Amino acid sequence: AQSVSQHNHHVILSEAASLELGCNYSYGGTVNLFWYVQYPGQHLQLLLKYFSGDPLVKGIKGFEAEFIKSKFSFNLRKPSVQWSDTAEYFCAVNAVGSSNTGKLIFGQGTTLQVKP
Amino acid sequence: DTEVTQTPKHLVMGMTNKKSLKCEQHMGHRAMYWYKQKAKKPPELMFVYSYEKLSINESVPSRFSPECPNSSLLNLHLHALQPEDSALYLCASSQERLGNEKLFFGSGTQLSVL
Repeated sequence: AQSVSQHNHHVILSEAASLELGCNYSYGGTVNLFWYVQYPGQHLQLLLKYFSGDPLVKGIKGFEAEFIKSKFSFNLRKPSVQWSDTAEYFCAVNAVGSSNTGKLIFGQGTTLQVKP
Repeated sequence: DTEVTQTPKHLVMGMTNKKSLKCEQHMGHRAMYWYKQKAKKPPELMFVYSYEKLSINESVPSRFSPECPNSSLLNLHLHALQPEDSALYLCASSQERLGNEKLFFGSGTQLSVL
């Protein structure tokens, strides 16, 4: 079964600082990878996803993530955070295979607090 | 319309009650999902429907009974719940059940079981 691990549980940054949130998954086969964000009081929404092609994917609001297959990692980055990036960030994985298709598993989440 | 609408937003029920949660989408999506989220925890998958048929049941207790009456609606029937079932219940949908698509989430139903 697949699993997802996020290393940073709570990150505090000042505005304009660079961000990198770690995500590792456990599954030996092909995976689809996602980052979702939950802003305070709002529903979960997709930041970006990877399922094939260029391992460096760009998402909304200046976020990007790099899939490194050899490290089973999909870290999220942003060069310069803003106060409005304060939110909960979830890495998620869907292992490709008939019984797993559609089974999106989330990591524990990282709370990002950006100080103005 | 790119929304997933869940009702009610809040629900308080006793352990002997029967209640239902409702989820609706009008995006033409053929896959729909129920997730459970405890405070400060990630969403946990409960059920997946594809073309109105139950595709995945993550060993959820029978006191939770899902139903997909048509392609736009997803219900979760609740009966004889326990206090530990108190959580935010999230509905989501996607175009298909291909595993590489964006999920659209609703705002959830905050359930309290007394």
